[in-house]
Amino acid sequence: GQQLNQSPQSMFIQEGEDVSMNCTSSSIFNTWLWYKQDPGEGPVLLIALYKAGELTSNGRLTAQFGITRKDSFLNISASIPSDVGIYFCAGAHNQFYFGTGTSLTVIP
Amino acid sequence: NAGVTQTPKFQVLKTGQSMTLQCAQDMNHNSMYWYRQDPGMGLRLIYYSASEGTTDKGEVPNGYNVSRLNKREFSLRLESAAPSQTSVYFCASRALHSNQPQHFGDGTRLSIL
Repeated sequence: GQQLNQSPQSMFIQEGEDVSMNCTSSSIFNTWLWYKQDPGEGPVLLIALYKAGELTSNGRLTAQFGITRKDSFLNISASIPSDVGIYFCAGAHNQFYFGTGTSLTVIP
Repeated sequence: NAGVTQTPKFQVLKTGQSMTLQCAQDMNHNSMYWYRQDPGMGLRLIYYSASEGTTDKGEVPNGYNVSRLNKREFSLRLESAAPSQTSVYFCASRALHSNQPQHFGDGTRLSIL
């Protein structure tokens, strides 16, 4: 199946720091999505991107749809303890494909 | 508004037993999906139903069957459970329009001994 390379696999940061993670693909997508998963729960949509070059914010989160349509980035500014969780990217072109996740730990 | 509801939340089975995982959505979505989530492997698509009355195989369909009972409900059945099917199973749904995001349930944690 389609592979999305998501990095980093895990991050340990101090509260207040900014976070950056990304996803790359060998294929072009029409849509990029970013989800967050808390322990024991399902993924929850954070940001959806539909156009190459699009930059969208949701509070302290900002995501971008790469110009090549093969990558996307998620930034979290001024991290807080409740940002802890696993962040997944997903690319869509007829079907959805998910990255393997970035596990974020925020140290108070 | 419950969104996507999965039952049960937890289940332990013995090898060879059968089991049906239930999923229902109240968002009037056309498409529904079943994924499994294993450590380090992200979400892998088992089966999906693009609309009521249709079902298609995903990336890892072997050992599973599905039924789209009506527009709201999409069930996943393990006929003869195997330890390799120990996983967390997620159901998702989305509206008909192309590339609209999927909305996920809270998962069913299944252990097969």
